[in-house]
Amino acid sequence: EDQVTQSPEALRLQEGESSSLNCSYTVSGLRGLFWYRQDPGKGPEFLFTLYSAGEEKEKERLKATLTKKESFLHITAPKPEDSATYLCAVLDTNAGKSTFGDGTTLTVKP
Amino acid sequence: GAVVSQHPSRVICKSGTSVKIECRSLDFQATTMFWYRQFPKQSLMLMATSNEGSKATYEQGVEKDKFLINHASLTLSTLTVTSAHPEDSSFYICSARDPRDRDLGEQYFGPGTRLTVT
Repeated sequence: EDQVTQSPEALRLQEGESSSLNCSYTVSGLRGLFWYRQDPGKGPEFLFTLYSAGEEKEKERLKATLTKKESFLHITAPKPEDSATYLCAVLDTNAGKSTFGDGTTLTVKP
Repeated sequence: GAVVSQHPSRVICKSGTSVKIECRSLDFQATTMFWYRQFPKQSLMLMATSNEGSKATYEQGVEKDKFLINHASLTLSTLTVTSAHPEDSSFYICSARDPRDRDLGEQYFGPGTRLTVT
């Protein structure tokens, strides 16, 4: 059974204080790993797809990386508007649906 | 990116009544849509996978007679909560995959529907 574990559950940063969010996963075969951002009261917003170990994707202050067992979402010099819950999901090569982690809630204080 | 809409964004209904939520893919045709439920401060719980022209596939523990899903066209899926009760109050979110995306992996989510049953 596919499993996704995100840590930490919650992260509080000062504005400008860089950090990383972790997503550990177990799948029989990885078709793709996805990162989403969810603001309170809204649907998740797609951020990145990673397909193979060693791959990296960047978008503004966010950079996602992938190994065979985990993915990191690095946040460089975060701003208060980066505050949100970040969700990680994996799609198994044998599955038609993605498995989501419980998310990391990021709070960036000015 | 692909756009998915949901209607209504909020609905309040009385216990025992039925409520229909619509999910539309606006700029692409979605052969598969997903319906999720989310409780406060919790992650997404997949309820069912909706396939155009066929019956939905429900996750274990989800009552298919209570949560009716219809995917009548390539751009529209509906979720009807029948005989709603206060415990059905939740945030319902739909999503779809864009067939133009590589590997059909990423999902595009609607804005969600807040259902309150009184």
